[in-house]
Amino acid sequence: EPEVTQTPSHQVTQMGQEVILRCVPISNHLYFYWYRQILGQKVEFLVSFYNNEISEKSEIFDDQFSVERPDGSNFTLKIRSTKLEDSAMYFCASSERGGVQPQHFGDGTRLSIL
Amino acid sequence: GIQVEQSPPDLILQEGANSTLRCNFSDSVNNLQWFHQNPWGQLINLFYIPSGTKQNGRLSATTVATERYSLLYISSSQTTDSGVYFCAVEYAGGGNKLTFGTGTQLKVEL
Repeated sequence: EPEVTQTPSHQVTQMGQEVILRCVPISNHLYFYWYRQILGQKVEFLVSFYNNEISEKSEIFDDQFSVERPDGSNFTLKIRSTKLEDSAMYFCASSERGGVQPQHFGDGTRLSIL
Repeated sequence: GIQVEQSPPDLILQEGANSTLRCNFSDSVNNLQWFHQNPWGQLINLFYIPSGTKQNGRLSATTVATERYSLLYISSSQTTDSGVYFCAVEYAGGGNKLTFGTGTQLKVEL
């Protein structure tokens, strides 16, 4: 079965540094998402992306965050000038179409900010 | 936005026991998914079930969309069932994003 793959599985970064989290969505999927889960809390939506632009973003997704689909397969989340509170598990997801279609999740990247 | 509540928040079972987890939501939904988060943090998709009933092995799920709830049944529980179970909904008028519940932490003991 096709999978969403995320790299790296664990990223440790100094506060203030930039990080890029990478995702390869399922190949025929058109909608892409990033979610975040702070340790011990529920999963929260960050951003959705369709047709090479952001279709929706949450309050969490401020100017320090950006997303990009640099080629036909990768989908990236960039966090500029990381803060301690950015430490979390970040999940990428994709769906074939928007709405009434299941979202398929990757295994996540655990980001630790020191 | 939509409210998604799960119960119970915590559950301890003896291996072999059955359980029912509940997810209530406050608005109409287009999509509902159940996930199992294992101890390594991975989100395992269990069911895509905006309505009706589905079964997969020892697990089954039922969503009654008109009454705004979904149930996840676990039969003959095993220690590997331990972890957190989340329901997540995509509500009508809420774009395509999933809104997650707060989860049920399940521990299955020998």
